[in-house]
Amino acid sequence: EAGVAQSPRYKIIEKRQSVAFWCNPISGHATLYWYQQILGQGPKLLIQFQNNGVVDDSQLPKDRFSAERLKGVDSTLKIQPAKLEDSAVYLCASSSRWPADTQYFGPGTRLTVL
Amino acid sequence: GIQVEQSPPDLILQEGANSTLRCNFSDSVNNLQWFHQNPWGQLINLFYIPSGTKQNGRLSATTVATERYSLLYISSSQTTDSGVYFCAAGDLNYGGSQGNLIFGKGTKLSVKP
Repeated sequence: EAGVAQSPRYKIIEKRQSVAFWCNPISGHATLYWYQQILGQGPKLLIQFQNNGVVDDSQLPKDRFSAERLKGVDSTLKIQPAKLEDSAVYLCASSSRWPADTQYFGPGTRLTVL
Repeated sequence: GIQVEQSPPDLILQEGANSTLRCNFSDSVNNLQWFHQNPWGQLINLFYIPSGTKQNGRLSATTVATERYSLLYISSSQTTDSGVYFCAAGDLNYGGSQGNLIFGKGTKLSVKP
């Protein structure tokens, strides 16, 4: 069974530029999560989807971050415009059931904002 | 919201030693998971354990939900066990946020050969 796929693996941009990350969850997993992990800290949830609907986006900085999950499968997370403090690893995870089930993480995208 | 505290923050072991990592959480949970983040950054799920005890090879975990803590045991540690171990808990009481996992700050484990 293929795991959670993410791309790109690394991205370097300058502040005020825009960037997008892509995630493909494990096949059949209805729930998808985006996390932000700043160096030295644990991951922090940004948004979670159940199929293609948003369950919770209370931690998403909506003035610059947006996310969508079309057709309940792939998802994209966008930052526009980026700030220096957005430098982090962006992790995508999926689980089979909501609300409580094993979460499986992708390899992450390491974003550096200069 | 729920608070998750892990101890110790750092742990250095000699290969072959045993260790116990602790996770305390501040409120009722319906979701408690342990993860290992390897030196390359990949987060691997070790256990989904909202209550009870589970074992997987050299690793085992116990959650005592009524006393709001969970323990991760590593026996006969190997150099490949190095990395950061995270405990993450889900808050039972928040309606739309029931799927949210709150992560602790992690325990950084270094196993020396």
